Order: sequence, then C-alpha cells, then structure tokens
Amino acid sequence: ILNVEQSPQSLHVQEGDSTNFTCSFPSSNFYALHWYRWETAKSPEALFVMTLNGDEKKKGRISATLNTKEGYSYLYIKGSQPEDSATYLCAFSDYKLSFGAGTTVTVRA
Amino acid sequence: DSGVTQTPKHLITATGQRVTLRCSPRSGDLSVYWYQQSLDQGLQFLIQYYNGEERAKGNILERFSAQQFPDLHSELNLSSLELGDSALYFCASSVDEASSGNTIYFGEGSWLTVV
Repeated sequence: ILNVEQSPQSLHVQEGDSTNFTCSFPSSNFYALHWYRWETAKSPEALFVMTLNGDEKKKGRISATLNTKEGYSYLYIKGSQPEDSATYLCAFSDYKLSFGAGTTVTVRA
Repeated sequence: DSGVTQTPKHLITATGQRVTLRCSPRSGDLSVYWYQQSLDQGLQFLIQYYNGEERAKGNILERFSAQQFPDLHSELNLSSLELGDSALYFCASSVDEASSGNTIYFGEGSWLTVV
C-alpha cells in the first residue's frame, strides 16, 4: 500500500491571499506525481503531471513543485479567488494512481 | 469535458441485484481505470486494463468484475449488491499506463445507490 498523504486536510483562505499545501509520497520507485482539482458533483480535473525532480509547473495562478528525493510536492494558489474553492488531490503513479485524501480549500470573499 | 464517458450517471437498485457500469475512454486512450469513492472515503483504486488486458487489481471485491473490450470500452459488473456498495464509481483513461507519466482523465462518474 502506497501512502500518499496530504496536509492540511482543509484550509480557509481570504480572497486575494495566497496559499499552499503539501503532498508527501514514497520516494522510491517514483514514476509521476499528479495533481487534480475536484469540485463536488464533478469529475477530478487534471492540473499537472510531474515526473522529474525539481519540476515546476504552472497553470494560471496555480503552480506546483516536485521533490522526488525527499518525496513531497507543493501546490500553490496565488491571489485566491472564490472559484478556486475545491478539493485538491495529489496522486502517486506506478501502474495506477494512488490518491491522497485531498486538501479542501475554501476561499472566502 | 474530459472525453471519458460513463453511463448510467445515476442508478438505484436493490440489495442482491447486479448492475453494469459502462465506460468509453477518450479517443486513442488504451488504459482504463476504475475507482470507487464511498462516503467519507478517498478514491479507491479497483482495477486497470490496458489494451484489453487486465494490468492491475486494487481493492476490488470478488463480487465485482470488469473487462475491456476490443473497441477499448470497459464495463464494471457489480453483483450481489450490498448497501455498502453505494458509491460514486469513476472511470478514467490514459494513452499509456500510469507509470508513463501521461495525464489520466476522469469521467463524471456513475452514482450507484443500493436500497
């Protein structure tokens, strides 16, 4: 069983503030690390796939970094907006995706 | 729209019954994955197929089975249903296997309610 852990479980952010949260994963036999954005009653939306140590990906105000040697990834949201409210999932892939429990972000106007 | 199509979107059935959930992957994708999301649970991996062959099994009950057909669509069969099988079942697809680092796209899920 691969342990993918995300912290914090939830967080509240004031509109306009920036925030970040963590995903930790096994550092051995690494293939790829995925980030998804998941809104209630919708399908998980792929944000990033990162494969190389030191990878940094950016999509609009959301960015992510990857450290495969120590087994963690950060997701950053810059200038949070109410539409950023969602659960952010990370997943470690070998032959399948093993998901963390997610970080639920609530952006207050 | 991810391009992964799942049917039915909602299904209500009685305990002991059998249902089939269907998934059409994105055009060109060879891998199909099934996940279960129960109340207060994260996404639990059930099974994966690649180009018609079973590649990996996760926490899939013996009452459940799946297959991927030559046209690459997949079906998840759930039998002898119990109340605890009520969940959201997701299908996902990717061009290659998960270890390749390709993006894996999710369908909108099939809500199963067992009463």
